Order: sequence, then structure tokens, then C-alpha cells
Amino acid sequence: DAGVIQSPRHEVTERGQEVTLRCKPISGHNSLFWYRQTMMRGLELLIYFNNNVPIDDSGMPEDRFSAKMPNASFSTLKIQPSEPRDSAVYFCASSSGGAGDTQYFGPGTRLTVL
Amino acid sequence: DAKTTQPPSMDCAEGRAANLPCNHSTISGNEYVYWYRQIHSQGPQYIIHGLKNNETNEMASLIITEDRKSSTLILPHATLRDTAVYYCIVRGTGANNLFFGTGTRLTVIP
Repeated sequence: DAGVIQSPRHEVTERGQEVTLRCKPISGHNSLFWYRQTMMRGLELLIYFNNNVPIDDSGMPEDRFSAKMPNASFSTLKIQPSEPRDSAVYFCASSSGGAGDTQYFGPGTRLTVL
Repeated sequence: DAKTTQPPSMDCAEGRAANLPCNHSTISGNEYVYWYRQIHSQGPQYIIHGLKNNETNEMASLIITEDRKSSTLILPHATLRDTAVYYCIVRGTGANNLFFGTGTRLTVIP
């Protein structure tokens, strides 16, 4: 199995630009999670989808952040407009049995906003 | 979810067993103990999880005390590639979130 795939692996952009991060979950998994990792705050859950439907978005920091899952094999996390404080590593994870099941993480996207 | 306490860092000689402790004294009866690790610049990697009984897989063993208030992750023969931050997480079956805390930074020494 290819595991969770994320793209791009690295993104450098300037303040005010739109950023789109992409994730392909493990085939057959029906839950998808977006996390953000910073030195100050560690790993934080941003949003969780089950069967392509957003279930818990309480971790999304601001309206500038939005996430979609148009089908079972693809999700995006968009930041518009981006700010320097959004610089972090963004991880996508998927699981097969809902929120309580084991989550498997992708390699992450390192975002730098100048 | 219950809070966990781990030592901030540990060293282990290559080829020896690495024993990583975790305290979770407020764990509830339906909460599992999960272990993940994060190697530098990579995504967190699932290692093992358990409820009451000891568990073993190809990566590690998990020993949970009878009162479930603490556990130990054992890497039987540590290699340099096991150098990582190890996270002990207590989580109920209905929980969305994995609260990673600060973990234990394990350094395997040649």
C-alpha cells in the first residue's frame, strides 16, 4: 500500500497568497484528518472527515482556513489569505474505522509564509 | 482523554532494549493506550496500542500494568533508525483527536 500521500512536500509563499495542500488517503479508509504541527503548539487536529463529510472542524483556527473532501480519495486544505503565523508542517492522516480507529499519517507539507 | 506523563529524553545503546515508560494514572476503563513515534521531518508513525493485555507486534511490545495506570513500550533491539520522539497517547474509542503531548526523545547511541 502506498500510504497517505501529500503534496506538495514543501511550499514557500508570500503573505496574502492562497495556499492549497492536498491529500490522498489510504485506499479503503473512510476517515481523514488534517493536523498542524508547530514548535510552540505541537500537533493539533484541525478538521476530521468521515465518509467525505466534515464531522469536527473546531480546530480550524480562522475563517481563512477551509477544507474539502470531494470524494473518498482526495482532500484539500486551503488557506486564503496566508499569514506568516500559518507557517507549520501540515499532516494528513486516515483511518479505516472512524474516529476511534488507528490513524496513519502522511509525510506532511512544510509551509513557509514569508 | 486522560493525560499522560513521559520523561522528556532517554538514551539507549544500539542493540540493547529500549524501555520507554508512560504514566496515565487517570485512564478510564474504555480508553486505549496508543504509541506513535516521529522521526525527524517525518509524519507520526503508529507503533502499537492496547487496552488491558500486553501486546506485541513486529515493531515493539507494550506492557500495561494491571491497574492500567502506567505502561512501557519496549523496542527489543534498538537501532540507530529508532532515534525519534515517542508519544504515549490515551484515547477513548469515540475520540476524534490524538493528543500528542511532548513525548520522549529517544536517542540510540552507537
